Amino acid sequence: NAGVTQTPKFRVLKTGQSMTLLCAQDMNHEYMYWYRQDPGMGLRLIHYSVGEGTTAKGEVPDGYNVSRLKKQNFLLGLESAAPSQTSVYFCASENPQGAGSPLHFGNGTRLTVT
Amino acid sequence: AQSVTQLGSHVSVSEGALVLLRCNYSSSVPPYLFWYVQYPNQGLQLLLKYTSAATLVKGINGFEAEFKKSETSFHLTKPSAHMSDAAEYFCAVSLYNNNDMRFGAGTRLTVKP
Repeated sequence: NAGVTQTPKFRVLKTGQSMTLLCAQDMNHEYMYWYRQDPGMGLRLIHYSVGEGTTAKGEVPDGYNVSRLKKQNFLLGLESAAPSQTSVYFCASENPQGAGSPLHFGNGTRLTVT
Repeated sequence: AQSVTQLGSHVSVSEGALVLLRCNYSSSVPPYLFWYVQYPNQGLQLLLKYTSAATLVKGINGFEAEFKKSETSFHLTKPSAHMSDAAEYFCAVSLYNNNDMRFGAGTRLTVKP
């Protein structure tokens, strides 16, 4: 029972390089989210999706793009990485069942931009 | 806009002692409140949630939290700490759904033998 799987686990980029983070969930959840976690700031929502083919901006969307071509996958792209994007990135999924539906998180991707 | 403040970025307790992690919230409408736990090198897991039913909420691993509207608080407690409770704990608030959820900065709990 894999749950939410994120790849890669670690990545180092140079400023200006691009990359894509992959999130896959096997729970048939409708909603998916991308967060970044920075020390002393908790988690902040980057983008989210409420269904296949739909995406929306979260709290800190600048510098990121996302795609949800298949229900089970949610991709996060960095077109031109900047040192400010050094962070730990978490993907989460949700089976929306009313107020307070729990989020199911992956184990994170640690990204360093030099 | 809604927000949460977690008092104390680091709390240290002895094994068997009371655990108290503080969370205060701000919101314009009655909120939904959550506590999540993050073990090293893992994602967050839901500990418990308040969704306007009982004000005292029981969660997993012996944790509980009480919603106090007059104090705008949702503190997390556990009567007796265990070594396995060492982790980072996040309080979160949402108004309507997870799209508007805001997390606190987190409190790292250390349990001493």
